[in-house]
Amino acid sequence: EAGVVQSPRYKIIEKKQPVAFWCNPISGHNTLYWYLQNLGQGPELLIRYENEEAVDDSQLPKDRFSAERLKGVDSTLKIQPAELGDSAVYLCASSLDSGTYEQYFGPGTRLTVT
Amino acid sequence: GQNIDQPTEMTATEGAIVQINCTYQTSGFNGLFWYQQHAGEAPTFLSYNVLDGLEEKGRFSSFLSRSKGYSYLLLKELQMKDSASYLCAVKGGNTPLVFGKGTRLSVIA
Repeated sequence: EAGVVQSPRYKIIEKKQPVAFWCNPISGHNTLYWYLQNLGQGPELLIRYENEEAVDDSQLPKDRFSAERLKGVDSTLKIQPAELGDSAVYLCASSLDSGTYEQYFGPGTRLTVT
Repeated sequence: GQNIDQPTEMTATEGAIVQINCTYQTSGFNGLFWYQQHAGEAPTFLSYNVLDGLEEKGRFSSFLSRSKGYSYLLLKELQMKDSASYLCAVKGGNTPLVFGKGTRLSVIA
């Protein structure tokens, strides 16, 4: 069974530029999560999808961040414009549903904003 | 809100036993999780506790006391490959999973 796939693995951009991350969850998983992880910290939830519906986006900085999960499968997370403080690892995770306790994480995208 | 506290770093010797503690405060409770994360890699699920007591899975065990807001992860027969960060995470009543900052474990020879 393929795991959660994310791309790119690494991205370096200049501040004020846009950037997008892509995630393909495990087949059949209805719930998809985007997390941000800073060095030495635990993952922090940005947004959670149940199928194509964003059910928890309270931590998403909506002035510059956006996300979509069209057709309830893969998802993209976008930052426009990027700021220096956005440098972090962006993790995608999926689970069968929100009631299922185990989340499977992708390898993450390491973003560096210069 | 939720607050999760765990030690920042620990060091233990190969072959020994180490206990990583986690205390939490949460509104409602729907389970406590432990994840392992090697440097530069994704977190991987280790254990889940929702009832009080000890859950054993091979060399790893996890304990929960809901009344004390306390959990620990016990690693036995430590191996060098166990060097990693161990993340405690709590699912509150109506909130998504919240992670602690993680405990970085170094296993030395």
